Amino acid sequence: GAVVSQHPSRVICKSGTSVKIECRSLDFQATTMFWYRQFPKQSLMLMATSNEGSKATYEQGVEKDKFLINHASLTLSTLTVTSAHPEDSSFYICSAREGGRGPVGYTFGSGTRLTVV
Amino acid sequence: GESVGLHLPTLSVQEGDNSIINCAYSNSASDYFIWYKQESGKGPQFIIDIRSNMDKRQGQRVTVLLNKTVKHLSLQIAATQPGDSAVYFCAEIVFSARQLTFGSGTQLTVLP
Repeated sequence: GAVVSQHPSRVICKSGTSVKIECRSLDFQATTMFWYRQFPKQSLMLMATSNEGSKATYEQGVEKDKFLINHASLTLSTLTVTSAHPEDSSFYICSAREGGRGPVGYTFGSGTRLTVV
Repeated sequence: GESVGLHLPTLSVQEGDNSIINCAYSNSASDYFIWYKQESGKGPQFIIDIRSNMDKRQGQRVTVLLNKTVKHLSLQIAATQPGDSAVYFCAEIVFSARQLTFGSGTQLTVLP
């Protein structure tokens, strides 16, 4: 089955620094990738949608200059949290969509637990 | 409408009993509805989906029911097992937007 690899699984960074999270589709080409944020005991909130080779589309309320998304190839998307602050601490999850497979074509990474101290 | 972060409701069931998890969705234009299982510290895992023109679909030990009149979705798990303990989320897709939007979740705990 389709596999999405997300790294790192956990990261602790100092306030003011930047952190990069990678999302790779290992055995398929992802026409679209999505980034979600999840706070404890809450649902997944869509942050942005990225298509290979074009700018990401951000959801309302998500700062595009703070959460930089790069989708340079059909198998890799990165999310960079710039100038991180403690309130950015959260669980970040990526999803990659393989076209032509309907709902089954959305595969999720295992998530990244970001803690900003 | 947009999904709003809510604190998760909980459901506790005895091992071997059937579980019913409910979800209210917001968008009448959604093409598919999906149930995901999320274990602690992991990403969501696909369980079953149902197309918007259907009202019932069965899988292995799971059944999804869709009531478009009241915008309600349910997941039934037969003979619930300890390994079923997790958070269950409903989600909906509008294919033209290619976006998958999550609804509320439910924490399922299976008691021995």
